[in-house]
Amino acid sequence: GAGVSQTPSNKVTEKGKYVELRCDPISGHTALYWYRQSLGQGPEFLIYFQGTGAADDSGLPNDRFFAVRPEGSVSTLKIQRTERGDSAVYLCASSLGPQAYEQYFGPGTRLTVT
Amino acid sequence: SQQGEEDPQALSIQEGENATMNCSYKTSINNLQWYRQNSGRGLVHLILIRSNEREKHSGRLRVTLDTSKKSSSLLITASRAADTASYFCATDANAGGTSYGKLTFGQGTILTVHP
Repeated sequence: GAGVSQTPSNKVTEKGKYVELRCDPISGHTALYWYRQSLGQGPEFLIYFQGTGAADDSGLPNDRFFAVRPEGSVSTLKIQRTERGDSAVYLCASSLGPQAYEQYFGPGTRLTVT
Repeated sequence: SQQGEEDPQALSIQEGENATMNCSYKTSINNLQWYRQNSGRGLVHLILIRSNEREKHSGRLRVTLDTSKKSSSLLITASRAADTASYFCATDANAGGTSYGKLTFGQGTILTVHP
């Protein structure tokens, strides 16, 4: 079956611009996670959705970052007034539920802010 | 912030040899997981060990967990060139006994297996 998909795969934007990154989880997965991975580092948690609600957004670095999941499936991570320090690979993962443990990761979106 | 510390940071071995990677963490956990990542993308779940387990096997993988030392190890036996990748441990912290999959990853070990 189809895995987690993320679009775009690469995004280059200028400092100060607004970007949206999309995640399509595996059908039927209620839990959705966003992580950010900088070069040479492990992924860092950003936000967790259970269904439509953001159950834990403690990893969002500041109020320029926002994520939604309006229908409990597709999620969009939104970054306003991008900064060069936002450059990273943004990973999305989904699982059957919060207690399902195994997370299935998408290929990521590589964001470069120039 | 990263909870896990992994060592070594890089490991280079010949095909057929065993590879051992270690992970240490700081807080109490519900479970610990190992993931593999090729070419900086697409993490793949390898194995999960719960806090009340000490050892687990899956194919050529063997994971141990020592909660008293807050450490885990991943052993890959009879390595193959296709095992070349970055390997990450990830902890699912025990927040009042509830786990919801918020993973904290280590910095990873880069494994290179030479044919």
